[in-house]
Amino acid sequence: NAGVTQTPKFQVLKTGQSMTLQCAQDMNHNSMYWYRQDPGMGLRLIYYSASEGTTDKGEVPNGYNVSRLNKREFSLRLESAAPSQTSVYFCASTATYGYTFGSGTRLTVV
Amino acid sequence: KNEVEQSPQNLTAQEGEFITINCSYSVGISALHWLQQHPGGGIVSLFMLSSGKKKHGRLIATINIQEKHSSLHITASHPRDSAVYICAALSGSARQLTFGSGTQLTVLP
Repeated sequence: NAGVTQTPKFQVLKTGQSMTLQCAQDMNHNSMYWYRQDPGMGLRLIYYSASEGTTDKGEVPNGYNVSRLNKREFSLRLESAAPSQTSVYFCASTATYGYTFGSGTRLTVV
Repeated sequence: KNEVEQSPQNLTAQEGEFITINCSYSVGISALHWLQQHPGGGIVSLFMLSSGKKKHGRLIATINIQEKHSSLHITASHPRDSAVYICAALSGSARQLTFGSGTQLTVLP
């Protein structure tokens, strides 16, 4: 099925651990995004990649790094997880029309 | 400062009622999205509009660019419409979204 695939769906980390959230799209979209969703805050942009080979910071980039591996894949890395990074993470992609979101990763940092 | 404001935050309706959710934005936009999110679920794009009105089934979205205001209407509401509805403003050369905080809609049978 065409769309945006995110892995894993759920993850529990201990403070200080690292992990990478994976995202892949098969719609040949140029732009990809990582958002986090927190209660009462709405979704906020962490990082984005307007095209293959470029990445830029969004509203809340601290504590995260990203890699646009190729046109299909855009990963988000937490080098040293903190409880403040407990959230639901969504990857998304877009071309000219519309946005497509992944199903989300629910991350808990204890 | 939230550049996209939605109202109401919570809305409870009886099945069959006509529902309106409002969205105001302060940024310049190229388009506005209406999104739907079911509990524990992913996010689905319902509409993207830059002018006028769009209709899909029982859902209607309108936008007034001059007033920086958009509305989402649901006619003949049904319990399966219960979800969070989010408006998001599309702007910038990188086509980023700025999101409202969402409207939790509950439709009672």
